[in-house]
Amino acid sequence: GESVGLHLPTLSVQEGDNSIINCAYSNSASDYFIWYKQESGKGPQFIIDIRSNMDKRQGQRVTVLLNKTVKHLSLQIAATQPGDSAVYFCAELGGNNRLAFGKGNQVVVIP
Amino acid sequence: NAGVMQNPRHLVRRRGQEARLRCSPMKGHSHVYWYRQLPEEGLKFMVYLQKENIIDESGMPKERFSAEFPKEGPSILRIQQVVRGDSAAYFCASRGGDEQYFGPGTRLTVT
Repeated sequence: GESVGLHLPTLSVQEGDNSIINCAYSNSASDYFIWYKQESGKGPQFIIDIRSNMDKRQGQRVTVLLNKTVKHLSLQIAATQPGDSAVYFCAELGGNNRLAFGKGNQVVVIP
Repeated sequence: NAGVMQNPRHLVRRRGQEARLRCSPMKGHSHVYWYRQLPEEGLKFMVYLQKENIIDESGMPKERFSAEFPKEGPSILRIQQVVRGDSAAYFCASRGGDEQYFGPGTRLTVT
C-alpha cells in the first residue's frame, strides 16, 4: 500500500547551521503534505504544509520543497536553534482527512 | 482558547484490564481522529469520528478496541482486555477546517 517514509534516522547539526530533512512518498495521487515536529512527551505540532500544485513553500525559518517527479519532499530549517531539537515527521493527507505519517527523523542540535 | 485535551496523560494497566482514554477536542471542532504511536515509530491512524458517528475505523484492530464520540462529553477510546502489545502513546486530534490539532497524548503502559 501507499507509504510515507524518511531516509535518515538522526541528524546532528551545529547550532546556527541549516538542517535538511528528507521524506519519500509512494502515492503519486497525494496532493497535500504536512511536516510535523514532535518534542519529547508532546503531541505533533504543525510546522508547514504544501499542496501538490506547488513545489516550494516558505514559512518562518522553514522551507518545504516538493519534487513530484521523484515523489520526494524535504524540510529545510534555517539557522537551527536548540529549540529545534525534536523528531520531525512528514505526513500525507488521505481519504477522510486521515494522516499517514512516516517513521520520523530525530534532529539533535549541538550548542 | 484551550487546545485539545487528553486524559489521563499516563495510564498503567495490568494485562486483562480495560483502558479508557478520553479526548476533548478544541472548542467548536466536531471531528476527532485517534492515532497510535509505538516507540520510535510514526503515528498510525486508528479511527475518525464525528459527533455520534464513526466515519472511518479502517485503522482499528478488529477486536478489543472501540471508540465513541457522544453528543455531549469527550471522545472515548476503549481497549478491553489489554495486552502488552497495546503499550503505546495514543494521540487524538481535532479538526475544524483542514488542519488537525493534536493533544498531548496518553501513554499507556501494560504490565
